Amino acid sequence: EPEVTQTPSHQVTQMGQEVILRCVPISNHLYFYWYRQILGQKVEFLVSFYNNEISEKSEIFDDQFSVERPDGSNFTLKIRSTKLEDSAMYFCASSGGASGRVNIQYFGAGTRLSVL
Amino acid sequence: KQEVTQIPAALSVPEGENLVLNCSFTDSAIYNLQWFRQDPGKGLTSLLLIQSSQREQTSGRLNASLDKSSGRSTLYIAASQPGDSATYLCAVILSGTASKLTFGTGTRLQVTL
Repeated sequence: EPEVTQTPSHQVTQMGQEVILRCVPISNHLYFYWYRQILGQKVEFLVSFYNNEISEKSEIFDDQFSVERPDGSNFTLKIRSTKLEDSAMYFCASSGGASGRVNIQYFGAGTRLSVL
Repeated sequence: KQEVTQIPAALSVPEGENLVLNCSFTDSAIYNLQWFRQDPGKGLTSLLLIQSSQREQTSGRLNASLDKSSGRSTLYIAASQPGDSATYLCAVILSGTASKLTFGTGTRLQVTL
């Protein structure tokens, strides 16, 4: 069964460093998302991406964050200068169809980011 | 701003019992509602999706209902098994938004032998 894959599973970084989290969405999907979950808290939306541009972003997704689809298969989240409060589990998701809103969002297993 | 709440926060039941998990949302103008399962330290597994025009969806031992006007959804699990132990999350997409999911607080379920 097709699945969303994320690498690495765990990333440890020093405060102020740049990190890139990688995702390979399901191959025929058109809509891509990043969410995060701080330990013990709700899953929060960060950004959605369609047709090579951001379609929606949350207040969390400030200038320190960026997303890119560098080729036909990868979808990345970059945090330019990490802060302690960026420590969280980051989930990538994708959904398919001509109108992605009606479709189920499939999630990857997540990347645990630890900022020291 | 859409708020999604799930009650109870935690639930422990003996194996074989039927149970109901509750989800409520403050803005009834939703496009759809999705139920997920999350195992400790793992990703989210989609269980059921209900469109705003639907009243319920079924998959195996799971049945999800939606009452949009009252801002409520329930997830019914029949004949619970220890393997059902996980955190269950509901999430909604608001009409008029792109496709962001707004998640609830989750219900942590433990099914005991």
